[in-house]
Amino acid sequence: VTQNPRYLITVTGKKLTVTCSQNMNHEYMSWYRQDPGMGLRLIHYSVGEGTTAKGEVPDGYNVSRLNQREFSLRMESAAPSQTSVYFCASRNASGGANEQFFGPGTRLTVL
Amino acid sequence: GQNIDQPTEMTATEGAIVQINCTYQTSGFNGLFWYQQHAGEAPTFLSYNVLDGLEEKGRFSSFLSRSKGYSYLLLKELQMKDSASYLCAVTDSNYQLIWGAGTKLIIKP
Repeated sequence: VTQNPRYLITVTGKKLTVTCSQNMNHEYMSWYRQDPGMGLRLIHYSVGEGTTAKGEVPDGYNVSRLNQREFSLRMESAAPSQTSVYFCASRNASGGANEQFFGPGTRLTVL
Repeated sequence: GQNIDQPTEMTATEGAIVQINCTYQTSGFNGLFWYQQHAGEAPTFLSYNVLDGLEEKGRFSSFLSRSKGYSYLLLKELQMKDSASYLCAVTDSNYQLIWGAGTKLIIKP
């Protein structure tokens, strides 16, 4: 699973996009944010091309599942509260035993 | 609500054994995962339990008791490279993963 960019510094109100791609033909892809002292929190997920669904903390974020491989995360107007580390993950959709594979993370700072 | 609890931080000595506990309350249960996360890196898969009992994989073992809503990760013969955070996650009735905040394990020589 790859993510771009790995590091991003922006200012309040700017629009930004983080891209994610996987080559394992996984149906399920997701975006998480990770903040100190908190567990991974699900932002949005997708169970296949053209589908998206809200997770635990979707406000302020949009996603697009462009095809089986790619799942992008957008912030239309970045806010300091969105400063965090973002992980993309993918897995096979069927069943509960399928491990998730994570991208390397995108460290975002909003000034 | 759904909740997963694990200790925030633990310290152990190189060569020793450490047990990291995880308790959970979720809407349904379809398995429990343990992941390892080194500082500044992505989580990586360690183990999966869906039935009660102990699963052993080299120096690492994971135990599950569904009736008690409890799991532990046992690390033997600790090495300095085991210094990391260990994340417990439960798959709920909708096959969504609920994550604990993680346990930071510090290994001292």
